[in-house]
Amino acid sequence: DVKVTQSSRYLVKRTGEKVFLECVQDMDHENMFWYRQDPGLGLRLIYFSYDVKMKEKGDIPEGYSVSREKKERFSLILESASTNQTSMYLCASSFREGSGANVLTFGAGSRLTVL
Amino acid sequence: QKEVEQNSGPLSVPEGAIASLNCTYSDRGSQSFFWYRQYSGKSPELIMSIYSNGDKEDGRFTAQLNKASQYVSLLIRDSQPSDSATYLCAVRRWFGNTPLVFGKGTRLSVIA
Repeated sequence: DVKVTQSSRYLVKRTGEKVFLECVQDMDHENMFWYRQDPGLGLRLIYFSYDVKMKEKGDIPEGYSVSREKKERFSLILESASTNQTSMYLCASSFREGSGANVLTFGAGSRLTVL
Repeated sequence: QKEVEQNSGPLSVPEGAIASLNCTYSDRGSQSFFWYRQYSGKSPELIMSIYSNGDKEDGRFTAQLNKASQYVSLLIRDSQPSDSATYLCAVRRWFGNTPLVFGKGTRLSVIA
């Protein structure tokens, strides 16, 4: 089974702190994604990456950055956490489109609370 | 108009009935369509994908796609209480390696 592992299930941080959310996948997927999910707003794409050291902005990149130094790891960084970044963060990965079963597989999620 | 629209529900159906979930999308160039199921407190999981007009069946699930009308639907036959979840419609906008766009989801409740 494809495994997408998010390092922290629950985090509580203070306003202004730097926050790292880590995601690791073990199926050699090229694509990796970070979404946030909020009630009434659904899943919104923050950043994605198609290859090592590559990153693309999604629909709501403001206040976030990402890092992909290795193929299996995609990190989401909140440089200075704010209360409006309190949310469920979901990492996902997939093979490149056209390279086979292009199923998007999600991690278990990281619920971040910013006080 | 939102890119991918779904009725938020809740949609309540009795056990054993057919549940019908609908989704419309705005980009006529969209190519790939997916249904994800998300149980409360869990992450989404893929249940169906469809790429061509018509119906695609997998067990109790049938996905229907009509590109001319820009809608995709999911039918769940013989609904069970275990089908109670939020169902997310997702669309890939163009050919190539582009990310999915998700609807906000429809909450389904199957009443025993």
